[in-house]
Amino acid sequence: QKEVEQDPGPLSVPEGAIVSLNCTYSNSAFQYFMWYRQYSRKGPELLMYTYSSGNKEDGRFTAQVDKSSKYISLFIRDSQPSDSATYLCAMRSTGRRALTFGSGTRLQVQP
Amino acid sequence: NAGVTQTPKFQVLKTGQSMTLQCAQDMNHEYMSWYRQDPGMGLRLIHYSVGAGITDQGEVPNGYNVSRSTTEDFPLRLLSAAPSQTSVYFCASFATMGGEGTGELFFGEGSRLTVL
Repeated sequence: QKEVEQDPGPLSVPEGAIVSLNCTYSNSAFQYFMWYRQYSRKGPELLMYTYSSGNKEDGRFTAQVDKSSKYISLFIRDSQPSDSATYLCAMRSTGRRALTFGSGTRLQVQP
Repeated sequence: NAGVTQTPKFQVLKTGQSMTLQCAQDMNHEYMSWYRQDPGMGLRLIHYSVGAGITDQGEVPNGYNVSRSTTEDFPLRLLSAAPSQTSVYFCASFATMGGEGTGELFFGEGSRLTVL
């Protein structure tokens, strides 16, 4: 069983929809949680970063972490065609620099 | 603003050949790492380095060597290429600010390797 599980999709939504992306994990030592966005044939870039449990909002993006359920989410409001990309969740434990990634969810926002 | 630069972007090798993927960063980051990305597998850590002269193995190190003689450069060597090493390789460096850092891995654009 992988340490981090993520539905690969693809997920296709109409422009303006609310998108929910999720990951579950098994390692209770994970304390730092990230979402990366990866456009086709590009390297991943950091979208959201959260420490421990709680919510974090940045514009149209909201990241949620529920450590009791070992479940993290990324919400995208008013989705745009430019949001079409693969979204990777990633996490790490205190003192470690290496990240453990989910396999990524491919999102397609239809105009 | 170069960030993390990887070369080459594309490479085709025959089984048994060796090659080096180059990675350079100009952000003075101490931590550098190599990941490979395969369909359905996500990004998996091959090797990493926490500073010049210090390297360590990640999740999938077999068949790869690294060295870190300077802060800027972190090359990845394939000793004897195998078809199982066909993948997209990403170099990434880590920004640390204080004890735990910001969590931001800066990635290069990737190197697409095909082993025939």
